[in-house]
Amino acid sequence: ETGVTQTPRHLVMGMTNKKSLKCEQHLGHNAMYWYKQSAKKPLELMFVYSLEERVENNSVPSRFSPECPNSSHLFLHLHTLQPEDSALYLCASSLIGGGGEGSYEQYFGPGTRLTVT
Amino acid sequence: KNQVEQSPQSLIILEGKNCTLQCNYTVSPFSNLRWYKQDTGRGPVSLTIMTFSENTKSNGRYTATLDADTKQSSLHITASQLSDSASYICVVSSFGQAGTALIFGKGTTLSVSS
Repeated sequence: ETGVTQTPRHLVMGMTNKKSLKCEQHLGHNAMYWYKQSAKKPLELMFVYSLEERVENNSVPSRFSPECPNSSHLFLHLHTLQPEDSALYLCASSLIGGGGEGSYEQYFGPGTRLTVT
Repeated sequence: KNQVEQSPQSLIILEGKNCTLQCNYTVSPFSNLRWYKQDTGRGPVSLTIMTFSENTKSNGRYTATLDADTKQSSLHITASQLSDSASYICVVSSFGQAGTALIFGKGTTLSVSS
């Protein structure tokens, strides 16, 4: 158990639905991430939150909307998705060091398997 | 362009055998290199983290090597077990003015059969 939980584990939604993915970390970390993992592709970083502020948004379509209400929780709100958005969505957390040290190891949750019909 | 290339793409071995997975990278500046194991339907779990000055690091039956000059890393699995069947992902961290970037490989899918 890595200390990062995600719900739901599986989600099937139509293109007109609105749903949300939830991530919670119990590790005392100060940074959280959303990744998309598609078959035979490297993990794609979607969003980064550091100290509850969004610090990175890798040209993700607006139908994906992240929310980080506090350092332990991260949400990904989904609306009007496309079939090509079907993938495994992974949440991760880490400690971000100050003074230019860079990021520490990321701990991943089990992921949400999303299918868009 | 920062890239991480892994080989082979997939591998099938018999239980008890050894195997070696490769990771070549063109990432600069280099900060560290991680190997993750990802079981089917699960998130990646870290196996090893290696910095520039480390050549070898072991974690049980897993041994990672790093050659920073040739920008190559390998993950050697000894006496494989059925539970080693998973995807193994090489991740290189690069810290620059814009912060830290993680560059992921596509992974090697290992199947261990009895």
